[in-house]
Amino acid sequence: QVQLVQSGAEVKKPGASVKVSCRASGYTFTSHYINWVRQTNGQGLEWVGWMNPDSGKTGYVQKFQGRVTFTRNTSISTAYMELSSLQYEDTAVYYCARHNNWGFSNWFDPWGQGTLVTVSS
Amino acid sequence: SYELTQPPSVSVSPGQTATITCSGNKLGDKYVCWYQQKPGQSPVLVIFENNKRPSGIPERFSGSNSGNTATLTISGTQTLDEADYYCQAWDSITALYVFGTGTKVTVL
Repeated sequence: QVQLVQSGAEVKKPGASVKVSCRASGYTFTSHYINWVRQTNGQGLEWVGWMNPDSGKTGYVQKFQGRVTFTRNTSISTAYMELSSLQYEDTAVYYCARHNNWGFSNWFDPWGQGTLVTVSS
Repeated sequence: SYELTQPPSVSVSPGQTATITCSGNKLGDKYVCWYQQKPGQSPVLVIFENNKRPSGIPERFSGSNSGNTATLTISGTQTLDEADYYCQAWDSITALYVFGTGTKVTVL
């Protein structure tokens, strides 16, 4: 079945960087965009951006521009999100999610299990 | 920026109908999807393209979208439907995916 499996929880100090992986299985990795979404402390969902695993092209929400980088390794069907200059407010669960669309309709399915990133001194 | 507003909470008795709204400017002109998130779990798609159910989602979940409001309806609500529910839409003007504020459904 289609599945996204993420790397484990991370604890980082302020100012550090974190890299989260998202391994896809059950479908052709390059055929669907990957989105990244974060959720802070049981609060709502916030879209971080997208990546086209085929071309490597990316798009980032302006709030994260300059601090976030999406990459991929197609040989192992894995997408990565690196967030730098971490601040306490970046403490959150980060999800990857497969993009699906039909015409102008878009939806995320499935989602990875989430990776908790804790920023603490 | 484009915003989607949901009621913070909805309470429903077992077997009754739960109605969750999602409001946004001219939301009816966009496609809306809905996610269910149980505590400690990742979101699960329950409705896409306003009213379509993914494979494996029970028929008691249905959706509609018109005017400024999209609605997720859970008919014959069960205790296992207790969860947070989020709507989502694509705003073509800002080129952003926007999530609703989320609604906690309590079945009691």
